[in-house]
Amino acid sequence: DTGVSQNPRHKITKRGQNVTFRCDPISEHNRLYWYRQTLGQGPEFLTYFQNEAQLEKSRLLSDRFSAERPKGSFSTLEIQRTEQGDSAMYLCASSSDSLEQYFGPGTRLTVT
Amino acid sequence: GEDVEQSLFLSVREGDSSVINCTYTDSSSTYLYWYKQEPGAGLQLLTYIFSNMDMKQDQRLTVLLNKKDKHLSLRIADTQTGDSAIYFCAEPPDKLIFGTGTRLQVFP
Repeated sequence: DTGVSQNPRHKITKRGQNVTFRCDPISEHNRLYWYRQTLGQGPEFLTYFQNEAQLEKSRLLSDRFSAERPKGSFSTLEIQRTEQGDSAMYLCASSSDSLEQYFGPGTRLTVT
Repeated sequence: GEDVEQSLFLSVREGDSSVINCTYTDSSSTYLYWYKQEPGAGLQLLTYIFSNMDMKQDQRLTVLLNKKDKHLSLRIADTQTGDSAIYFCAEPPDKLIFGTGTRLQVFP
């Protein structure tokens, strides 16, 4: 399958711990996006990359969040000192032309 | 600021048409999107429309765009139980701004 993949699919962590999620985009897609979706809401934009450059970050992305895409392929999203309010589905999408974004299945984070 | 609004629920009988509505505020949007999300799944791109069009048809899906009123709709003809999902409209093409989603329930 050549779709967007995300790992892990589920993560349960205790408050204060650090977590890291990984996204593998569709091969040769140069744009990669991160979104967060809480229960009953639409996804909210967090940040996006064109190749390895991080072009935009939402104000939702506090200093506890960091995203990287070191070689312009896969990306990681790290949350430090997790809080209960970080519990959400974290979605990754990729695009070759910015017109069509294809989403992965998401990583569901639960902070206890 | 940017905001996208949708009604929360829609219930239709199998075989009827469904119409899901959306209003947006950013008049500079060049494209407008419809995504479908099934329980526990990611988002599936259904269709999108360029802002210089007022209608787009793709099999059972018809998208209508009224730029003057900033209103977008998605019509699903012959709605099936497999169409039960949450439908999101979104704008613009890069950092997508999503509506709250409309939960479509199809009953036999």
